[in-house]
Amino acid sequence: KQEVTQIPAALSVPEGENLVLNCSFTDSAIYNLQWFRQDPGKGLTSLLLIQSSQREQTSGRLNASLDKSSGRSTLYIAASQPGDSATYLCAVRSETGANNLFFGTGTRLTVIP
Amino acid sequence: DAGVIQSPRHEVTEMGQEVTLRCKPISGHNSLFWYRQTMMRGLELLIYFNNNVPIDDSGMPEDRFSAKMPNASFSTLKIQPSEPRDSAVYFCASSSYTGELFFGEGSRLTVL
Repeated sequence: KQEVTQIPAALSVPEGENLVLNCSFTDSAIYNLQWFRQDPGKGLTSLLLIQSSQREQTSGRLNASLDKSSGRSTLYIAASQPGDSATYLCAVRSETGANNLFFGTGTRLTVIP
Repeated sequence: DAGVIQSPRHEVTEMGQEVTLRCKPISGHNSLFWYRQTMMRGLELLIYFNNNVPIDDSGMPEDRFSAKMPNASFSTLKIQPSEPRDSAVYFCASSSYTGELFFGEGSRLTVL
């Protein structure tokens, strides 16, 4: 069974700093990987989707990379802002198992003004 | 598009009562998912549908839980009878052929 790990569980950074969130998975036979953010009391908002054939995706200040062979993905946030404070989750869809996504437990990010 | 729409947003009920949660997926999406989120267990997949057909319901906790998708624009998750341990946030999500998943705002259930 696919296992997804996110380290650290929590991270605090001063405003303006660039930061990297990590996601690792145990089975490299993936269909895609998706990064979400979740604000307290809210649903999950899709940030970036990387298909298995892609190496990275970018949206604004966000850049996500994927290294299937090593079972790793990173989410890079440039010039962090207090509004970036949220929990960030990665989810992996395996090639087998059809539509099931395996979620990490998330990294809770706090950007200090 | 309005996104995935869930109702009710909050539900407080007493043990033993029936609870029905509703979901309207994004128009044109062919897959629909029901998740449950708790502090202890994180996000758990309960069931998902492809083209209105239930594909995998292995995550449904027990027979008290049931889900239906009578058409492409509506799904329900029913708990009967409800128990305090069912208290959680229930999310509905949908996706198209690209596989990108979009979540609703969730239904927060409290069973007293």
